[in-house]
Amino acid sequence: DSGVTQTPKHLITATGQRVTLRCSPRSGDLSVYWYQQSLDQGLQFLIQYYNGEERAKGNILERFSAQQFPDLHSELNLSSLELGDSALYFCASSPGTETQYFGPGTRLLVL
Amino acid sequence: SQQGEEDPQALSIQEGENATMNCSYKTSINNLQWYRQNSGRGLVHLILIRSNEREKHSGRLRVTLDTSKKSSSLLITASRAADTASYFCATSSSDSWGKLQFGAGTQVVVTP
Repeated sequence: DSGVTQTPKHLITATGQRVTLRCSPRSGDLSVYWYQQSLDQGLQFLIQYYNGEERAKGNILERFSAQQFPDLHSELNLSSLELGDSALYFCASSPGTETQYFGPGTRLLVL
Repeated sequence: SQQGEEDPQALSIQEGENATMNCSYKTSINNLQWYRQNSGRGLVHLILIRSNEREKHSGRLRVTLDTSKKSSSLLITASRAADTASYFCATSSSDSWGKLQFGAGTQVVVTP
């Protein structure tokens, strides 16, 4: 158990819908990262927050957004969902900029 | 796009044998990390090696890093059935604020 929690574990929704994925980092970790894992793209970095501020952006679509709250939990919002958004979404946290601890992931299926 | 490429894509060995997988990357790095993933579950951090280190050990794991060749290898000695998983290398560069770029992974199957 990494200490990073993600909810929900599974999400099934329809195209065009909007969902929110939630992540609670390990106690004391200020950095939160979001990654997407799909069969065709592999593991892709989406976005990073540090103590509430956005620090780095990767291959994140404009339909996706994220934020980190004062209690350091983070949410990833996915809107206007398409079939191709079906993937595993991971959150990771770290105390600095080295080792990242990954949560169990949220499996999203868009039908 | 992915920074690293793992080789081989898949590896099948018997318990007790050693497993070696390689990772190549393209740009300068601060560190390189190896992660394990069991069938679509979360990633487990195995080991981190910094750019100024050449070799690191952790239990049955041995990692080497050759920055001149932009490559790393992960050796698992005396493998067990529980080592069956996908193994990913991930790199972090100095301008990346810690974000990781992953390779495609090596799928390892250890049969009893």
